[in-house]
Amino acid sequence: SAVISQKPSRDICQRGTSLTIQCQVDSQVTMMFWYRQQPGQSLTLIATANQGSEATYESGFVIDKFPISRPNLTFSTLTVSNMSPEDSSIYLCSVGDTYTGELFFGEGSRLTVL
Amino acid sequence: GENVEQHPSTLSVQEGDSAVIKCTYSDSASNYFPWYKQELGKGPQLIIDIRSNVGEKKDQRIAVTLNKTAKHFSLHITETQPEDSAVYFCAAHTGGSYIPTFGRGTSLIVHP
Repeated sequence: SAVISQKPSRDICQRGTSLTIQCQVDSQVTMMFWYRQQPGQSLTLIATANQGSEATYESGFVIDKFPISRPNLTFSTLTVSNMSPEDSSIYLCSVGDTYTGELFFGEGSRLTVL
Repeated sequence: GENVEQHPSTLSVQEGDSAVIKCTYSDSASNYFPWYKQELGKGPQLIIDIRSNVGEKKDQRIAVTLNKTAKHFSLHITETQPEDSAVYFCAAHTGGSYIPTFGRGTSLIVHP
């Protein structure tokens, strides 16, 4: 199993600003995943963050809007840049068990953009 | 790519009743089907899963069934309790992929 801590847990932001979300895992992992969960919606993968290489972004998500850092095997950050109200969502950090396929999630960062 | 459909979107039951949530998938190569429970203000957490070589799996009050021919799988919760109230997501993994395709979620409300 893995324990994942995310910060901040929630924030209210002004349009046009940027916010960085931090994700700390209690064990070393190769891949970390960032998901977006819009109100009442399912989980949408934004990108996969690999240590030592550029993140891999899913269709519809770009690095300029969602830059990701992965400085080591236990930590990652996701920045939501130039925010608009449409970016109001829960952002979730996740890691996977390479043997079972199970995903472990942080508690999420709930962003509200005014 | 894989497509996962989940029904119903909302399910309201009385405490003690059973609840069933159904999912269908499109890719016959999918072989791992987890179910996640998301309580309010928390991240999703795995509650049960099933692999393509098994037809049914039980864990106390919850069970999952898989029909590979029809490409559907279901979550069954018996003797529901108020603490079962949450959003439930089904998912499907294709081959060796670490990245699942999620269903849209079912909001289960158990009335005391």
